[in-house]
This record gives sequence, C-alpha cells and structure tokens, in this order.
Amino acid sequence: EVQLVQSGAEVKKPGESLKISCKGSGYSFTSYWIGWVRQMPGKGLEWMGIIYPGDSDTRYSPSFQGQVTISADKSISTAYLQWSSLKASDTAMYYCARRDCSSTSCYMGYWGQGTLVTVSS
Amino acid sequence: DIQMTQSPSSLSASVGDRVTITCRASQSISSYLNWYQQKPGKAPKLLIYAASSLQSGVPSRFSGSGSGTDFTLTISSLQPEDFATYYCQQSYSTPRNSFGQGTKLEIK
Repeated sequence: EVQLVQSGAEVKKPGESLKISCKGSGYSFTSYWIGWVRQMPGKGLEWMGIIYPGDSDTRYSPSFQGQVTISADKSISTAYLQWSSLKASDTAMYYCARRDCSSTSCYMGYWGQGTLVTVSS
Repeated sequence: DIQMTQSPSSLSASVGDRVTITCRASQSISSYLNWYQQKPGKAPKLLIYAASSLQSGVPSRFSGSGSGTDFTLTISSLQPEDFATYYCQQSYSTPRNSFGQGTKLEIK
C-alpha cells in the first residue's frame, strides 16, 4: 500500500528555521516525483514545487522560489520542505503528494496527511 | 503562468441534484486537467485525471469533460458525502501545476 506519512504539527516563532518531512512507503521512492502544496487557513491549494528523489532534480513555483527549500534523502525514502527564517505568513497546512502519470496526463494520486505549521510570536 | 479560474466559487444544492462546476484555463492545456475533492480537515483526494478519466474507486456519478481551455466536473446525483470543496489543477506546465481557487459545495 502506497503511503506518505508527514511529520507532526509545529509551532515556531518568526525568524526560526524549520524542516518538515514526508516519508514514502509501499513503492519505489526514487521513481516518482514528490510535490509540496500549501493551504493557508481557510484558503485554497497552492502549488509550491516538486522533487524527483532519484536524482534530486527540483523545480519551484515562482511564488516560492527562494522562500523554501525542497530536498530528499532517498536512503530513507523521505522528502523535506524547509525554511531558513519563518514568517507569520508561513502559517499554513502543508501537504506532500506523489505525482503519478498515465499515458495522457500527470496528477497527484497519493497525498500525505498534512503538516500544520504555526508561526507566532 | 497559467491561471485557472473556477466557477462558481460556492454552490448550494440538494441531495439528488445534478451539479456542474466549471474550470477555465488562461491558455490551452489540452487535456492536462485534474479534479480533486477536499473535505474539512482532510487531504485532497483525486477524482478525475486527464480531464475525463475517473480515478479508481471514485463513484461513477462523478464525471469530467473538456479540453483546451474549458472543463467541467459533473456530479450526476448529489450524495450527502459529496458536500466538500472541489479544485481543478492543470498539469500542462510543470513545475507550475497551478490549482483553481476552489468551489465549495454546500447543502441547501
């Protein structure tokens, strides 16, 4: 069974750093892209970026380029999303999801349960 | 960047109703369009991919259509468990696989 299990909720202060994780199991972790999606409180889904754990090829949405870092450790089947200096506006739920592709399209077929990040002084 | 616009933003309907949600892309995306359902406090769930392909395990009352810039998600007969927020997503332009703003489907 394919599973993406994310790390637990975090409460941080502005200016602090943070790294959240997404551990894949039940499939070949290095063969599928993993994407990250932000959902601010009461708002919609925002695409942040994506990584291919096989070679760590990483692509960012322009809105998030330079704001976060996406990485992966294929030896432990885990993808990461990190911030060097959090802001209150980073308060959100963050989802990881596996990118699956058919012959005609790609889509996010499996999702983690989400990690709630709260940034408050 | 490709902008995705859904309409309506919210919708009230009754159990048994037929409901249609529209998604429009700012440029042609062929059939690279997916639909997701999200319930409160839960992760999104894939319903439809490639504009019209039903994800395994999704009830057949859900269907998708369209190509180019205009797409629709139809629920043929609303069930109580269908009240949720629905999002479209384009997968034409990676890595910028943008989502629509969502359509909240509420009970009338």
